[in-house]
Amino acid sequence: SQELEQSPQSLIVQEGKNLTINCTSSKTLYGLYWYKQKYGEGLIFLMMLQKGGEEKSHEKITAKLDEKKQQSSLHITASQPSHAGIYLCGADSSASGTYKYIFGTGTRLKVLA
Amino acid sequence: KAGVTQTPRYLIKTRGQQVTLSCSPISGHRSVSWYQQTPGQGLQFLFEYFSETQRNKGNFPGRFSGRQFSNSRSEMNVSTLELGDSALYLCASSPWGYEQFFGPGTRLTVL
Repeated sequence: SQELEQSPQSLIVQEGKNLTINCTSSKTLYGLYWYKQKYGEGLIFLMMLQKGGEEKSHEKITAKLDEKKQQSSLHITASQPSHAGIYLCGADSSASGTYKYIFGTGTRLKVLA
Repeated sequence: KAGVTQTPRYLIKTRGQQVTLSCSPISGHRSVSWYQQTPGQGLQFLFEYFSETQRNKGNFPGRFSGRQFSNSRSEMNVSTLELGDSALYLCASSPWGYEQFFGPGTRLTVL
């Protein structure tokens, strides 16, 4: 079965610093999603990547899916306290596209003011 | 549009009891998925319903069941609760199954 591994598990950065979170899949990704979660709350959709080499940005967050479609990175530029939370990558693990989702273990981000 | 709503937000039950959680999707969304999130196992897929039919199922015991009504609202039931069922249960809705919109979750504590 497909698995998603995220690194690092946790991250503490000073406000204004850049950071990168990685998500590696054991199989080819057909759709990769990034979400942000505040502790104990629901997930907020950030972006979706489908094509190898695709890159998307939203405000100061950029996500890329590598050419081989087995790894994605999420980069935050000039981090702010509002970026703090848990970042999760998710993917549809069913080759037939019947939407059986799996998620990575999450990366807990803390931004120090 | 109103977002995904889940009720109740918090629930405390004892071992052996059963519980029913409710999820109202975004208007027009036909797919509803349920997830269990725990510190140890992370976010795990329970099942997905589309137009009242279970379309996909994760690896959970039969004590976990669900259903979807004609208005796309969904319920999840857990029977014979165990301590390990304590978790945040999240519901997500989607028009077709791709981009998912999550509710705030129901925090279940089993004593």
